[in-house]
Amino acid sequence: EVQLVESGGGLVQPGGSLRLSCAASGFTFSSYEMNWVRQAPGKGLEWVSYISSTGSTIYYADSVKGRFTSSRDNAKNSLYLQMNSLRAEDTAVYYCARGDVATYWGQGTLVTVSS
Amino acid sequence: QAVLTQPASLSASPGASASLTCTLHSGINVGSYRIYWYQQKPGSPPQYLLRYKSDSDKQQGSGVPSRFSGSKDASANAGILLISGLQSEDEADYYCMIWHSSAVVFGGGTKLTVL
Repeated sequence: EVQLVESGGGLVQPGGSLRLSCAASGFTFSSYEMNWVRQAPGKGLEWVSYISSTGSTIYYADSVKGRFTSSRDNAKNSLYLQMNSLRAEDTAVYYCARGDVATYWGQGTLVTVSS
Repeated sequence: QAVLTQPASLSASPGASASLTCTLHSGINVGSYRIYWYQQKPGSPPQYLLRYKSDSDKQQGSGVPSRFSGSKDASANAGILLISGLQSEDEADYYCMIWHSSAVVFGGGTKLTVL
């Protein structure tokens, strides 16, 4: 069974940093591209970042470019999102999703940016 | 003008059909894109429904009932998610998505009410 479990969310002050993790199981993680997608409270889906199966290609939404960094460790079946210079508007549930078109999603982890 | 535009809400009766539209920006041609559809129920992550580009290039998500199907309206430059035989469990938010210029783009979502 495909499982994606996000962790690392929490309350952080504006300007702070946070690192999210996504633990994958039930499939060959190293064969799949991955995405991060977020959803602000009561709002729609917003794509954050894409990373290729090897990590050699990474794309970011303009709203996070220069502040967020995606990475992966295929040996640990894990995906990461390093978030720096956080802003109030980054407050959202962050999902990791398998594949270039997000066919499987984790349950998400809530990031709250507030003083 | 947003890249993908969806009506904010739609209501339909049980047993009827619902047609959810996803209109592409006038500067991009719906014929060139695979359009992906997702369903999200309150408190749950999105679930992948299907992909549609043409009748020869389409894919149903794993376990997704055939009541859900995709199509396009070229004259309206729009992708369409058709749900037939509506059931109360189909009440949810629906999002369309495309890959455009090395980025994932989501529509704003349509809240479908079945009453």
